[in-house]
Amino acid sequence: QLQLQESGPGLVKPSETLSLSCTVSGGSVARRNYYWGWIRQPPGKGLEWIGNIYHDGTTYYNPSLKSRVTIFVDTSKKQLFLRLNSVTAGDTAVFYCAWGTYRHLFDYWGQGTLVTVSS
Amino acid sequence: QPVLTQPPSASGTPGQRVTISCSGTSSNIGGNVVNWYRQLPGTAPQLLIYNNNQRPSGVPDRFSGSKSGTSASLAISGLQSEDEAEYYCAAWDDGLNCVLFGGGTRLTVL
Repeated sequence: QLQLQESGPGLVKPSETLSLSCTVSGGSVARRNYYWGWIRQPPGKGLEWIGNIYHDGTTYYNPSLKSRVTIFVDTSKKQLFLRLNSVTAGDTAVFYCAWGTYRHLFDYWGQGTLVTVSS
Repeated sequence: QPVLTQPPSASGTPGQRVTISCSGTSSNIGGNVVNWYRQLPGTAPQLLIYNNNQRPSGVPDRFSGSKSGTSASLAISGLQSEDEAEYYCAAWDDGLNCVLFGGGTRLTVL
């Protein structure tokens, strides 16, 4: 059973860069082809996919966020990273990292971390 | 804005059967599998149904999924109070090359 844990600052100033990390533990990540992903949920709203990264480094991004997003991994440390540039109040959300065996599928989720964009 | 369309709310009484619909297009549901996630209040989403109608280990058989054309449905039979949650459908979109989520359906057990 995989466990994922997001971490990062809970408050980011407008126009700055939001940086989060996600650490996976348990399970046998390295023995299977897999995807890691980030999903966000503004307060009181629905889920929005941010992007995925395949175990070989191939990335897929939400077209609406693509110009501002970078997702990368440190496989040796079983860590996933998210960078979102030029944030505004509209980027305030709970950010979830997730792991799955297909690019469209999220088998395991982290508990989420709230990031507020405010000066 | 979500491209997969779900009703914002659904309700039922204990023991009833409830269905939640998810409507898309040929670029997403019509050509790809649908997954369903359940989000209990204050918690992270959990995978409920994958590949249209498959249940992960531990999900009761009260939950079932189906897909026909560009629409999918989640059915919950023998409704229980603990089924109160937000339910989301999701699918890959070949045109946008991205994962789409539905807007979510809040299920209330009366």
